[in-house]
Amino acid sequence: QVQLQESGPGLVKPSETLSLTCTVSGGSISDYYWSWIRQTPGKGLEWITYMYYNGGTNYNPSLKSRLTISVDMSKNQFSLKLSSVTPADTAVYHCAREMTDGYTNGEFDHWGQGTLVTVSS
Amino acid sequence: QSVLTQPPSASGTPGQRVTISCSGSTSNIGSNTVNWYQQLPGTAPKLLIYSNSRRPPGVPDRFSGSKSGTSASLAISGLQSEDEADYYCAAWHDSLNGPVFGGGTKLTVL
Repeated sequence: QVQLQESGPGLVKPSETLSLTCTVSGGSISDYYWSWIRQTPGKGLEWITYMYYNGGTNYNPSLKSRLTISVDMSKNQFSLKLSSVTPADTAVYHCAREMTDGYTNGEFDHWGQGTLVTVSS
Repeated sequence: QSVLTQPPSASGTPGQRVTISCSGSTSNIGSNTVNWYQQLPGTAPKLLIYSNSRRPPGVPDRFSGSKSGTSASLAISGLQSEDEADYYCAAWHDSLNGPVFGGGTKLTVL
């Protein structure tokens, strides 16, 4: 059974960089597309980015200039960095896996439980 | 504020059938398939319906989805108390080259 677990600081200061890691267990990170999605009470669910194990990526244009994502195949992990954060970036951040290997269509059948990141001084 | 439009709330009594609507545009629902997610309190979203009307393994057939033009619907028949949750629609958006979501509908079982 594939499981995803997000990790990272729960509190980040404004203008600093938010860094999160998603650790995948019970399956390989290869062959599937992996996404970061955040959730806020006000804006609901917002897709941030997706990546493929071979380096293929796409970013939400509204966040693209501040985003960096990476993958560590040896640790079965992928990571997100969001720079110059503001309180508007306060959200629960989820990592998620696409249902079909080698294909991305927004059909996320595996999700991490999510981690709350608060941006505040 | 969400790209896809859902009613903020819906309700029904046990055993009833309820439907939740989702409205989009030609750039998302109109040209791509629709997925539905169920989110129970304090948990991550769960894929409930994909490709407009298909159910992942383990999802009861009480849940069904449909799509017409730029709109989609989720129907829940034989409503049960454990169906009380938030429901989100989602669809691929062509210019974004990523998924967009509805704002969510909070379903209350009276």
